[in-house]
Amino acid sequence: EVQLVESGGGLVHPGGSLRLSCAASGFTLSSYEMNWVRQAPGKGLEWVSYISSSGSLYYADSVKGRFTISRDNARNSLYLQMNSLRAEDTAVYHCARIYCSGGSCYGAFVIWGQGTMVTVSS
Amino acid sequence: QLVLTQSPSASASLGASVKLTCTLSSGHSSYAIAWHQQQPEKGPRYLMKLNSDGSHTKGDGIPDRFSGSSSGAERYLTISSLQSEDEADYYCQTWGTGIRVFGGGTKLTVL
Repeated sequence: EVQLVESGGGLVHPGGSLRLSCAASGFTLSSYEMNWVRQAPGKGLEWVSYISSSGSLYYADSVKGRFTISRDNARNSLYLQMNSLRAEDTAVYHCARIYCSGGSCYGAFVIWGQGTMVTVSS
Repeated sequence: QLVLTQSPSASASLGASVKLTCTLSSGHSSYAIAWHQQQPEKGPRYLMKLNSDGSHTKGDGIPDRFSGSSSGAERYLTISSLQSEDEADYYCQTWGTGIRVFGGGTKLTVL
């Protein structure tokens, strides 16, 4: 079964750091573009970052310079290192895989994890 | 700038049909989008990828009641024979080089 499971969320003080993990099963994570998406309480979905299958990295302006996306091919896992955290980073963080078919890939998020909650508060 | 616009809310009666709209920003009318459903207290669920010509590819297990269509910069999600479990937030999403974008979401109420 194709599945994504996030972990690593929790309560952190402003200015602190946290590392989120996303374990993939049922497919080879490094063969696909992988994304992080967040949802603040009561708000909509916000794209955070993605790593392409070739390893290129992209970030939303709101997290650029503070967050780093990476993956571990041996562990079939995706990570999000979050530094200099702010109250406005409080959200549920989801990892998501894009849709690929017939040798072509598209940026549609076809597989979603259930998310992990990050709370930034003093 | 790549932007998606959705109405914040919509409502329809049980058993009826509803058509949700997602509008692409100027200059981006050829872009494909994806529709996602988020039921209360659950994670998002992929519904379909919708192309500019109206062709669409649905996710596994998505009922035939869900369909997509396109007209110019507008992308539509039609849900027919509304059921109580269709009450949810619906998000459109698109992509470009180095960027992924969500619409603000439409909260659908089933009366």
